[in-house]
Amino acid sequence: GAVVSQHPSWVICKSGTSVKIECRSLDFQATTMFWYRQFPKQSLMLMATSNEGSKATYEQGVEKDKFLINHASLTLSTLTVTSAHPEDSSFYICSARDSGGPSTDTQYFGPGTRLTVL
Amino acid sequence: AQSVTQLDSHVSVSEGTPVLLRCNYSSSYSPSLFWYVQHPNKGLQLLLKYTSAATLVKGINGFEAEFKKSETSFHLTKPSAHMSDAAEYFCVVTAGNMLTFGGGTRLMVKP
Repeated sequence: GAVVSQHPSWVICKSGTSVKIECRSLDFQATTMFWYRQFPKQSLMLMATSNEGSKATYEQGVEKDKFLINHASLTLSTLTVTSAHPEDSSFYICSARDSGGPSTDTQYFGPGTRLTVL
Repeated sequence: AQSVTQLDSHVSVSEGTPVLLRCNYSSSYSPSLFWYVQHPNKGLQLLLKYTSAATLVKGINGFEAEFKKSETSFHLTKPSAHMSDAAEYFCVVTAGNMLTFGGGTRLMVKP
């Protein structure tokens, strides 16, 4: 149980295009999901907290208009990287907390999406 | 405020020998503590967690960790390393909605 999927797993795009990444909780409901960015050989950096039915909460230094987050249902959050540039190339990982589970402080992570912007 | 320090960025062991990955934390609250493992180009997999029950926590793949409040530590151990254990390991502290990651420890296992 507690599986989180991400799609796509790898995307290559040209500079200036927008890319949407999906994060789904497959067997549980998640009122809260999280989006992280990971640079090579570094730890995860929290970008934003995605709340179902309301606006996302962004960490300091993360551009809201650059990284659009939508959490339209209890099992789906999307991250759209708008007008992507090479510096946006990174490994993006989402996580979700099981709203109805016995342990609401446990986060389950997706497999990650590697974004390469040419 | 809370913070997590993984004391070793790299640990190298021989296959079949014990593993020790060190983690110290600080938190203003009663935290929950986790260890996650990340294999190359993969997401994070939960190894084990401590949530104020037993101080010695057993996880998957033979890993365990001991919560020592007096030392503010939550070190990860395994009696005998396997080649498949080679990966990046993250110690994580969470209190409420705040999740704090350690810098990670890369475990290398030599044949």
